Amino acid sequence: SAVISQKPSRDICQRGTSLTIQCQVDSQVTMMFWYRQQPGQSLTLIATANQGSEATYESGFVIDKFPISRPNLTFSTLTVSNMSPEDSSIYLCSVGSAGQVGTNTEAFFGQGTRLTVV
Amino acid sequence: KNEVEQSPQNLTAQEGEFITINCSYSVGISALHWLQQHPGGGIVSLFMLSSGKKKHGRLIATINIQEKHSSLHITASHPRDSAVYICAVSRYSNYQLIWGAGTKLIIKP
Repeated sequence: SAVISQKPSRDICQRGTSLTIQCQVDSQVTMMFWYRQQPGQSLTLIATANQGSEATYESGFVIDKFPISRPNLTFSTLTVSNMSPEDSSIYLCSVGSAGQVGTNTEAFFGQGTRLTVV
Repeated sequence: KNEVEQSPQNLTAQEGEFITINCSYSVGISALHWLQQHPGGGIVSLFMLSSGKKKHGRLIATINIQEKHSSLHITASHPRDSAVYICAVSRYSNYQLIWGAGTKLIIKP
């Protein structure tokens, strides 16, 4: 299993500012995933972060808006840049299933960051 | 049509009732996951299964690969079981998870 510490757990931010969310895993993992969950919706994958390479972004998400760092195998950050009220969501990091291509493992999640942009 | 469909969307029951949440999928999968999301937002993995049945405490998950269907059962439900239950599948051809919309469960005392 993997234990993920995600912070902050929640924040209220002014529009136009940026927020960086951190995830620390208690073991080394190849891939980390960043998700967004808008109110009342299911999870949407933002990007996949591999250590030592650029993150791979899903359709509709761009690096300028959601820059990601992955400096080592246990840590990653997601920044939500130039925020607007539409960015108000829960943001979650995840490892595991899908942590290694072709390997089935359970999915483990951080506690989530509940972001409100005013 | 979504690739992963859950039913019901919302479920309210009395404490002690037997709960069933259903998940159907339309793609080839390597595994199916049941996860629980509490109001604070954190998500916990309950089960990962590719065949048969798994049990953990009062929770039981079953999967029928031929029918592309899975169920999550909760026996002797309790108000602390109130949460959103999410079904997700892993595909052979793609490591990403495909998510159901979730079932919001409320257990009344």
